[in-house]
Amino acid sequence: AQKITQTQPGMFVQEKEAVTLDCTYDTSDQSYGLFWYKQPSSGEMIFLIYQGSYDEQNATEGRYSLNFQKARKSANLVISASQLGDSAMYFCAMREPYILTGGGNKLTFGTGTQLKVEL
Amino acid sequence: NAGVTQTPKFQVLKTGQSMTLQCAQDMNHEYMSWYRQDPGMGLRLIHYSVGAGITDQGEVPNGYNVSRSTTEDFPLRLLSAAPSQTSVYFCASSANSVADTQYFGPGTRLTVL
Repeated sequence: AQKITQTQPGMFVQEKEAVTLDCTYDTSDQSYGLFWYKQPSSGEMIFLIYQGSYDEQNATEGRYSLNFQKARKSANLVISASQLGDSAMYFCAMREPYILTGGGNKLTFGTGTQLKVEL
Repeated sequence: NAGVTQTPKFQVLKTGQSMTLQCAQDMNHEYMSWYRQDPGMGLRLIHYSVGAGITDQGEVPNGYNVSRSTTEDFPLRLLSAAPSQTSVYFCASSANSVADTQYFGPGTRLTVL
């Protein structure tokens, strides 16, 4: 069963506008971590933001915020005031605990959303 | 602080050849892993390790071998390369809890002809 779902293969946003990238997840455990990574055209994976399943506040890191709705199992990334440099592929990922996965604290990725910021 | 390093950055192999992708980290992380990235499929876990001497299979382990003799190094071996192994390979490391961020190396782009 797919554990991380990103339903938007591609998104466009105008410069200086906000954009929301969707992510839903599936897990049977109460303890897990949710991550967003950015992959620019140069190929590296850049960590953006983290949300723990027990965190009551939505995570924020500069222009990035994570809209965490636990009951709906969604962890959408919000980018405010988009910049041309935000054009990249964005991946949502979930880390489940050792006891559930049988080994390590594995990170499971979605298929990504390609974001293009336009002038 | 170098973080996670990978060598080589690019490699072209012929079918049947073997090679080792190198990965090293200098953050004293317990957890290391290898992923492959194929178009439209996100990153998929190949093998991982929770510490020196301990390795296990991920989602797509066939055709790959790993070992972990030190905390710092986690090489990935392709035993007999096949065109289906053409991909971008990422190594990652982290401390070992759900809250710990995995840090990725720059990737190796492998082409098997």
